Amino acid sequence: GAVVSQHPSRVICKSGTSVKIECRSLDFQATTMFWYRQFPKKSLMLMATSNEGSKATYEQGVEKDKFLINHASLTLSTLTVTSAHPEDSSFYICSARAPGSGYTFGSGTRLTVV
Amino acid sequence: GEDVEQSLFLSVREGDSSVINCTYTDSSSTYLYWYKQEPGAGLQLLTYIFSNMDMKQDQRLTVLLNKKDKHLSLRIADTQTGDSAIYFCAESPNAGNNRKLIWGLGTSLAVNP
Repeated sequence: GAVVSQHPSRVICKSGTSVKIECRSLDFQATTMFWYRQFPKKSLMLMATSNEGSKATYEQGVEKDKFLINHASLTLSTLTVTSAHPEDSSFYICSARAPGSGYTFGSGTRLTVV
Repeated sequence: GEDVEQSLFLSVREGDSSVINCTYTDSSSTYLYWYKQEPGAGLQLLTYIFSNMDMKQDQRLTVLLNKKDKHLSLRIADTQTGDSAIYFCAESPNAGNNRKLIWGLGTSLAVNP
C-alpha cells in the first residue's frame, strides 16, 4: 500500500533555531501533500496544503513566514519551523493521497522547543 | 460550515463490540474515513466508505453510513486491548487529490481486560 515516510520522529531544539521536517511518498507521486499540527486535546489542525512546484496554500491564522513549506519534487515536501519558540512544541503530521486510495499519513514528528 | 462531531470517549470490555459514532454536516461529502492513532504515532487509515454505499465490512470492522441523517459509525467486533487508540472520523468533500479532509476531534477507545 501507499507509504508516507516522515522524519525525524522526534526532535528537540533550542528556542530561536530552525527545524526542518521531511515528508516523503515512497511508492507513489504526490502532487499535493498536507501538513497538520496536532494539539494536546487530539484535534488535528490543517496548517497548509503543499503543492508540487508552486507555493503552499496556508490556512487562516498560520504564519507562512514561520512555517516554510517546500514541495520541490513529486515525492518530497518539507516543513521548516523557523525561529522556533516553546509554543511551537507540538506533534506535526504530514499526509498525501495516493491514487485510488485514502489519505496516508506519516508517523508524525514530535517537536519540543526548549 | 463544514463540521464533523464525535463523542470523545468510549470504554468497552475485551471481547465486546465497540461502536464509534460520527456525524457530519457536508451533504456533498464523497468519501468518509476512519483513522486510528495509537499513542505517539501517526494516523493509520482503517477503512473508508464511498457516499453511495450503506455498509462496508472488512474483517472485524463494519462501517455503516446513513446519508440521510449524515451519520457514520464504526463497529469493531471482538474488541481487543490492541484496539485501544484514538479513532478519527473524517470527510472529504469530493474525490480530488487536493481536497482537504474535515476532521472530528477523535474518540478515545479504552479496552478493559
